[in-house]
Amino acid sequence: DGGITQSPKYLFRKEGQNVTLSCEQNLNHDAMYWYRQDPGQGLRLIYYSQIVNDFQKGDIAEGYSVSREKKESFPLTVTSAQKNPTAFYLCASSQDLPTAEAFFGQGTRLTVV
Amino acid sequence: GENVEQHPSTLSVQEGDSAVIKCTYSDSASNYFPWYKQELGKRPQLIIDIRSNVGEKKDQRIAVTLNKTAKHFSLHITETQPEDSAVYFCAAFSGYSTLTFGKGTMLLVSP
Repeated sequence: DGGITQSPKYLFRKEGQNVTLSCEQNLNHDAMYWYRQDPGQGLRLIYYSQIVNDFQKGDIAEGYSVSREKKESFPLTVTSAQKNPTAFYLCASSQDLPTAEAFFGQGTRLTVV
Repeated sequence: GENVEQHPSTLSVQEGDSAVIKCTYSDSASNYFPWYKQELGKRPQLIIDIRSNVGEKKDQRIAVTLNKTAKHFSLHITETQPEDSAVYFCAAFSGYSTLTFGKGTMLLVSP
């Protein structure tokens, strides 16, 4: 449901490795977002993209990278530069106003081992 | 950029009581204010939203109020039920940047 799919659901990474989280949507939404969720921290914005081939840093972009080569896809790479990558990652998409409802994927839980 | 503050961080009520969660925002250009509910282990889902040209909106047991002058908005849940237990997030959207979320309120409804 929701038309936005994240994969994988669980991901384990060794320290020093880069890892890429997938996010695909078939809602024809222009905007896509990546949020990080930690207990007591709410949803913190990592990166967002409002059109293809363009993206902007959010509040906690350090150690992350993204691309937006297609409207449907917005993958997030967690690099080895991210010092504390263990978290729950949520991808979302939305249209601009007047219908700005954001639809979320089911999330990816990343654990560094 | 936009800053959204949400209170309280946790809220415990008895079944049948009302619950109120409050949020403030900083960007006067924000004009869309959604509320999301996230059950344990699930994705956030929209439960109600309000736009800046409206002061109040109701949907059964849920209502949202907006005070643009004071830059705050609130979620009201009446006749709470155990299935209302979840984390609730408020957010603000200006149309020029992104959706900015509050830190969330964990609501626990005891039978």
